[in-house]
Amino acid sequence: QKEVEQDPGPLSVPEGAIVSLNCTYSNSAFQYFMWYRQYSRKGPELLMYTYSSGNKEDGRFTAQVDKSSKYISLFIRDSQPSDSATYLCGSPEGSNDYKLSFGAGTTVTVRA
Amino acid sequence: NAGVTQTPKFQVLKTGQSMTLQCAQDMNHEYMSWYRQDPGMGLRLIHYSVGAGITDQGEVPNGYNVSRSTTEDFPLRLLSAAPSQTSVYFCASRTGGPYNEQFFGPGTRLTVL
Repeated sequence: QKEVEQDPGPLSVPEGAIVSLNCTYSNSAFQYFMWYRQYSRKGPELLMYTYSSGNKEDGRFTAQVDKSSKYISLFIRDSQPSDSATYLCGSPEGSNDYKLSFGAGTTVTVRA
Repeated sequence: NAGVTQTPKFQVLKTGQSMTLQCAQDMNHEYMSWYRQDPGMGLRLIHYSVGAGITDQGEVPNGYNVSRSTTEDFPLRLLSAAPSQTSVYFCASRTGGPYNEQFFGPGTRLTVL
């Protein structure tokens, strides 16, 4: 079983909708969490990271962590066709911060 | 800065052949990693390095070798290619410590027949 599990999708939403992406993790040692965005046939790029429980906002993107339930979420408001991509959640493996565990990714398509 | 570069972009091998995937970074990052990405499996760590001369195994190391003789380069060697190694391979690098962004290369698409 992977240490980070991600809702597989795919998701298809109309432009302007709110996109909700979810992950769970099993290792209590995970301390901070990242969301990467990967466009088709490209390498992943860091979208945002969050350390503590609660919300972190960056423009139209909000990352949420609930450490009590080991749940990670990413919300995209006012989604645009340019948001169409695969989104990966991940975390360093506790104190071993050079080993990053990733979920399988959720592919999102925003329809114009 | 070129960032993380990978060559080749595409490769087709026959079962049993060997090859080396090249990775280089010009950001002076200590940490470098190799991942493979397969449908439904996400990114899986193959090998990683925390500095020149230091490497260690990740989640799926079998069939692959690495070495790190310089800070810049981190080649991945397939010893005897198998169809199960058909995948997209990504090299990545980052500075050590928390919160530091990991930069990925553009990937190498490998098909083993």
